[in-house]
Amino acid sequence: GAVVSQHPSWVICKSGTSVKIECRSLDFQATTMFWYRQFPKQSLMLMATSNEGSKATYEQGVEKDKFLINHASLTLSTLTVTSAHPEDSSFYICSAHSERTFASLSPQHFGDGTRLSIL
Amino acid sequence: DAKTTQPTSMDCAEGRAANLPCNHSTISGNEYVYWYRQIHSQGPQYIIHGLKNNETNEMASLIITEDRKSSTLILPHATLRDTAVYYCIVIQAGTALIFGKGTTLSVSS
Repeated sequence: GAVVSQHPSWVICKSGTSVKIECRSLDFQATTMFWYRQFPKQSLMLMATSNEGSKATYEQGVEKDKFLINHASLTLSTLTVTSAHPEDSSFYICSAHSERTFASLSPQHFGDGTRLSIL
Repeated sequence: DAKTTQPTSMDCAEGRAANLPCNHSTISGNEYVYWYRQIHSQGPQYIIHGLKNNETNEMASLIITEDRKSSTLILPHATLRDTAVYYCIVIQAGTALIFGKGTTLSVSS
């Protein structure tokens, strides 16, 4: 149980285009989803936290107009990287947490990440 | 959130127990100790978590000292597939995981 699916696994696109990444909780309802970014040989950095039906909360230094997050349902959150540039190339990972299905101290479950390369 | 300190890297022979330490001397009473690992190019995988008592599941055991200022993750019989970066994270229930640099565990035959 507690499977999180992320799509696509990898994407290559031209500079200036927008890229959408989907994160789905397959067998539970995710009340909260988190988005992380990981550069090579570095640790995961939290970008934003999103609760179903409300606006995402962004970490300091993360541009909310560039990284659009939508959490319209309890099983789906999307991250759109708008007008992507080479410096946005990174490994993007989502995780999901549920207080409805599990106890509040249940762990976050992670997707397998999306490797984004901007040419 | 309390910070954690972990060794940068550790080596372990296949079949032996891997003991990964973590210091969290400023942990608060309502904060839990979570352990995750990340195998290369994959998302982090949950291993175990605890508050005060020692915990065991099918993957590992978690030993928390009585003063809660440190803990040890034990992989009882390490395999090559356990090679990964292991993260010890201290958080309040339901809050976002903040990742440090973790410990790179290398299991060799």
